[in-house]
Amino acid sequence: SQTIHQWPATLVQPVGSPLSLECTVEGTSNPNLYWYRQAAGRGLQLLFYSIGIDQISSEVPQNLSASRPQDRQFILSSKKLLLSDSGFYLCAWSMGQNSGANVLTFGAGSRLTVL
Amino acid sequence: GQSLEQPSEVTAVEGAIVQINCTYQTSGFYGLSWYQQHDGGAPTFLSYNALDGLEETGRFSSFLSRSDSYGYLLLQELQMKDSASYFCAVRDGGSASKIIFGSGTRLSIRP
Repeated sequence: SQTIHQWPATLVQPVGSPLSLECTVEGTSNPNLYWYRQAAGRGLQLLFYSIGIDQISSEVPQNLSASRPQDRQFILSSKKLLLSDSGFYLCAWSMGQNSGANVLTFGAGSRLTVL
Repeated sequence: GQSLEQPSEVTAVEGAIVQINCTYQTSGFYGLSWYQQHDGGAPTFLSYNALDGLEETGRFSSFLSRSDSYGYLLLQELQMKDSASYFCAVRDGGSASKIIFGSGTRLSIRP
């Protein structure tokens, strides 16, 4: 069976510090991978999605970046955090094609507080 | 662009039936999905409609009308544990791997 791991679960970072969130998927190959951000009580904002290694599309051209160094690994980074980066970050995966591409499975999330 | 509209809040009574609507606007269409999210947790997949009609999964059903760009999630025999936020989502027609979400409907259930 497939599993998705996301870490760290929570972190508190000062403004201007770097960020690295990691996500790995097990039990499948060539998944589509996603990073979403959710502000408190709000919807899910798509940040990045990837259909393969080094194939990443950005939806939010701010101070965040994403990388996919391996097929089942997706990393979200920032060189300098802003207060507005606080939120609940969710990694997700789906099958690469057909009806499975419509079903997202989410990691447990990473709650980031920037002070 | 793409957008999805759903009510921000719905309140219902335990044991009753509730319907959460979603209208969408996309450049192409691959299907409408629904997710449930409890406070503090991650969203979990509930259902998916690619074709018109009703899909039933236990107490939950989802409906789609592609001609109306409209769908709904129907929850029957409501239980207190159904109190959560519910999101509709679509794949972008321009980039089939891009999945966007509505702003969510918070369902509150009263005893």
